[in-house]
Amino acid sequence: ETGVTQTPRHLVMGMTNKKSLKCEQHLGHNAMYWYKQSAKKPLELMFVYSLEERVENNSVPSRFSPECPNSSHLFLHLHTLQPEDSALYLCASSQERRTDTQYFGPGTRLTVL
Amino acid sequence: AQSVTQLDSHVSVSEGTPVLLRCNYSSSYSPSLFWYVQHPNKGLQLLLKYTSAATLVKGINGFEAEFKKSETSFHLTKPSAHMSDAAEYFCVVSVFSGTYKYIFGTGTRLKVLA
Repeated sequence: ETGVTQTPRHLVMGMTNKKSLKCEQHLGHNAMYWYKQSAKKPLELMFVYSLEERVENNSVPSRFSPECPNSSHLFLHLHTLQPEDSALYLCASSQERRTDTQYFGPGTRLTVL
Repeated sequence: AQSVTQLDSHVSVSEGTPVLLRCNYSSSYSPSLFWYVQHPNKGLQLLLKYTSAATLVKGINGFEAEFKKSETSFHLTKPSAHMSDAAEYFCVVSVFSGTYKYIFGTGTRLKVLA
């Protein structure tokens, strides 16, 4: 995929580790999103960034810390995670926050031991 | 309140037969509606989008969906299933209330039998 890329694609970490997920969009978009996809649950929106400013945080625990250094890059910093945080983490982008079509990356499959 | 319901969690069809994946929505506003497909270990790929233009929307890979306001439905169809269509399909409603918000259905897993 060349539109929205995510690294790593797979990550296994212990509960005491610190790791980061990276998302990069090559579409010239100004809004970026983090979603969590758990088994048998609808996708959950975690964070929304618009022009590098966090505009939405949906009651996400502080062990997840997003960072958006510029409009093309989005990070999700992870620390002291719990096993129930194991999921597929998807990044998406859209032209503007007020534009409705979102384009998704391939996701990072996270396993917390 | 806005919501989206995918009526079937699993659908199985034989290769070469028609596909029907059902989606009903509830929205106080004029919605945009999407279908996304997710193949195993992949992200979501946009199949098609409805935004109040033509009610019959054509998407990629031979899929299409019809917006029926009277039935609040946006069902996804394909005349002839291919093995490569096996995946999970998500119906999404996007509503604007200050900003656009995506509301996802719980997904329908499509199995294609040889």
